[in-house]
Amino acid sequence: AAGVIQSPRHLIKEKRETATLKCYPIPRHDTVYWYQQGPGQDPQFLISFYEKMQSDKGSIPDRFSAQQFSDYHSELNMSSLELGDSALYFCASSLPSGGASDTQYFGPGTRLTVL
Amino acid sequence: GDSVTQMEGPVTLSEEAFLTINCTYTATGYPSLFWYVQYPGEGLQLLLKATKADDKGSNKGFEATYRKETTSFHLEKGSVQVSDSAVYFCALSRRRANSKLTFGKGITLSVRP
Repeated sequence: AAGVIQSPRHLIKEKRETATLKCYPIPRHDTVYWYQQGPGQDPQFLISFYEKMQSDKGSIPDRFSAQQFSDYHSELNMSSLELGDSALYFCASSLPSGGASDTQYFGPGTRLTVL
Repeated sequence: GDSVTQMEGPVTLSEEAFLTINCTYTATGYPSLFWYVQYPGEGLQLLLKATKADDKGSNKGFEATYRKETTSFHLEKGSVQVSDSAVYFCALSRRRANSKLTFGKGITLSVRP
């Protein structure tokens, strides 16, 4: 079965640089979520999109922005990178709302290292 | 706000031992409850879920029952295997469209042969 695809899997950047993370949801899934997991931490919700519109916003820094495109893939843009941005970034997708379809399926994550 | 509390870890067990990982939650209304598992170097995989009170989620020998009266969703397995070694996260989401997941801190399980 098709899964959530994230690219790149690993990314190394210098401080103050910019990074773009991409997420391709499972086919027919129209909702995408982004989470950040610091070392030894639980995943923290950043932002979500439903039908290409921002659905919810969590603890996402102003330096970060994201969008969902017409093919439902999503990109997380991170500027002025800081050492503390080093983390595993997960994307998840889900089917339209309601009942059993509220399950989120996660991608393998992008490991961002800021030097 | 919503929160999930998991028992402190890590947990180390011998193979074939009984496993219980405690999870309690605080949320408005009746959330959906989940257990996710993260194997070393991998992403999060849904282990099981329950969407209403007294529901029991089960998968791969793991079980958890949604207890509204105690706001709990404890994970159990009768006989753990070395391959169950991973980090386990309890999580909840509101029962509305496109709701985010709120995770507990996670607990690392190590199973010795």
